[in-house]
Amino acid sequence: KQEVTQIPAALSVPEGENLVLNCSFTDSAIYNLQWFRQDPGKGLTSLLLIQSSQREQTSGRLNASLDKSSGRSTLYIAASQPGDSATYLCAVRDNYGQNFVFGPGTRLSVLP
Amino acid sequence: EAGVAQSPRYKIIEKRQSVAFWCNPISGHATLYWYQQILGQGPKLLIQFQNNGVVDDSQLPKDRFSAERLKGVDSTLKIQPAKLEDSAVYLCASSLVMGVRRTEAFFGQGTRLTVV
Repeated sequence: KQEVTQIPAALSVPEGENLVLNCSFTDSAIYNLQWFRQDPGKGLTSLLLIQSSQREQTSGRLNASLDKSSGRSTLYIAASQPGDSATYLCAVRDNYGQNFVFGPGTRLSVLP
Repeated sequence: EAGVAQSPRYKIIEKRQSVAFWCNPISGHATLYWYQQILGQGPKLLIQFQNNGVVDDSQLPKDRFSAERLKGVDSTLKIQPAKLEDSAVYLCASSLVMGVRRTEAFFGQGTRLTVV
């Protein structure tokens, strides 16, 4: 059974810092991995999608990497801004049931 | 392109009452998911449809939860009777089927259910 963990659970940084969020999964037989952002009381917004054959994806100040063999993904946020404050969730889609399995999320606070 | 639509946004009911949630996925998305998100946790899959067939409902509490996707488009999720521990956000998502290059999941705004 796939299990996804995220470290740290919460993070508070001053504006302008570069930061890294970590995601680990137990079964490397994944189809893809997706990073989401969730603002309080809102749904999930897709940030980046990495197919299993890819090593990284970039969008603006965000860069996500994938090391499938070690069961890890990182989300790098450059030059953080207060507007980046949210919960960041990673989810993996396996090759078997098409289901997305989510991690518990990292709650990020960027202080002005 | 319109996103995933869900209604209602909020619902407060008493325990033992029934409630229903509605979801309209992105046009052309054959796969539809219902997730339950308890405060402070990641979403947990309740049921997954492909077209109007159930792919995975292994984590759906079938004694009280039911879901249907008639005609392979809209879906409804029902809870009857509700318990206090059902208080959560219910998220609907849709995606293209596997085998298509980009199978991102797109989520609706969710329905926040409070059972008192």
